[in-house]
Amino acid sequence: DGGITQSPKYLFRKEGQNVTLSCEQNLNHDAMYWYRQDPGQGLRLIYYSQIVNDFQKGDIAEGYSVSREKKESFPLTVTSAQKNPTAFYLCASSIRGLDYGYTFGSGTRLTVV
Amino acid sequence: KQEVTQIPAALSVPEGENLVLNCSFTDSAIYNLQWFRQDPGKGLTSLLLIQSSQREQTSGRLNASLDKSSGRSTLYIAASQPGDSATYLCAVKGNAGNMLTFGGGTRLMVKP
Repeated sequence: DGGITQSPKYLFRKEGQNVTLSCEQNLNHDAMYWYRQDPGQGLRLIYYSQIVNDFQKGDIAEGYSVSREKKESFPLTVTSAQKNPTAFYLCASSIRGLDYGYTFGSGTRLTVV
Repeated sequence: KQEVTQIPAALSVPEGENLVLNCSFTDSAIYNLQWFRQDPGKGLTSLLLIQSSQREQTSGRLNASLDKSSGRSTLYIAASQPGDSATYLCAVKGNAGNMLTFGGGTRLMVKP
């Protein structure tokens, strides 16, 4: 079955560490997205990529970095510059085009220890 | 900038009731609207996608309507069940490329 796989499900980060969240899809979608979800604040867009080797900042990109070297993969790195990284991170993908909806992964919960 | 609002923020109903969740958006120039379900600690599951040219979409006990000119959508759940308990989010795709703008969600509890 096609879908989006996010790993790990839970991740713990020490102060000053960079950590990378994985997002892989086998839906043959061109576009991929990273969202952050905090209690009471809804989903906020971190980065998105419409095509391989290209990505754009979303509303809250500071302290995060991404790469898009393969169509199937869109990893997110939470750097030490992100001062409040504890949150639930969601990856999504879609067919490029205005008529299509999004498919989401199951999320990664990141906690700073 | 597009803003999406969902009312109520939380809703508790007894099993078997028919219920309506509301979603409003400020910019009517949208391409589509998508309703999602989110269980605690889980990702989002797509329920219904309504294109701007459509008035409604149905899937089982769910019916979503769209009134683009007034900036409103409703999600109707018939004969609610405890298994329907979850947070329901709506999101609109506007003219900012391929991006979705999300509402804050409605947390639904259906009591047996």
